[in-house]
Amino acid sequence: AQTVTQSQPEMSVQEAETVTLSCTYDTSESDYYLFWYKQPPSRQMILVIRQEAYKQQNATENRFSVNFQKAAKSFSLKISDSQLGDAAMYFCAYRTDGDKIIFGKGTRLHILP
Amino acid sequence: DVKVTQSSRYLVKRTGEKVFLECVQDMDHENMFWYRQDPGLGLRLIYFSYDVKMKEKGDIPEGYSVSREKKERFSLILESASTNQTSMYLCASSTHTGTDRNIQYFGAGTRLSVL
Repeated sequence: AQTVTQSQPEMSVQEAETVTLSCTYDTSESDYYLFWYKQPPSRQMILVIRQEAYKQQNATENRFSVNFQKAAKSFSLKISDSQLGDAAMYFCAYRTDGDKIIFGKGTRLHILP
Repeated sequence: DVKVTQSSRYLVKRTGEKVFLECVQDMDHENMFWYRQDPGLGLRLIYFSYDVKMKEKGDIPEGYSVSREKKERFSLILESASTNQTSMYLCASSTHTGTDRNIQYFGAGTRLSVL
């Protein structure tokens, strides 16, 4: 069975600095999707970034980028120039069969002004 | 923009009550999902549906049932609410076609307290 592990329950970063959130997963599949979702306090969960496993190029969305290491089954999220609005719970997720998604337990990110 | 609407943000119910949580999406998505979110446990899948009148059990279906009579609406039912069902419930929808395939879009959540 696939699993998703986020080893950092909480992290803090100074405003304008860069932070990296870690995620590892376990699967025997060769083609799959990985995601990072963001859940701000008392607000809706939204997609931050998506990576397709067959694409070697790391996905990027503005200040958000991933480091996808397929062989190591690692999928970290880098946030550059951190802003106060980046404070949220971040979930790493893996798409399994039938469009189901398995979520990690989350990393709560604090932005220090 | 995709919109997933959950009928209530907060609900307070008594033990033994039958509880209905409603979810509606406006993007003609085939797939709909119900999760519960608890601190330290992340999101856990309760039930999901790939089509009208179709349902599949997720990882924690005990004590819950679902209904999908129309494509846009997916209801979660707690047949007899218990205190251990106090939680945040999230609904999501997705499509398996197009550029948005596999991306789940979430509602704002319903925080249910069972007393």
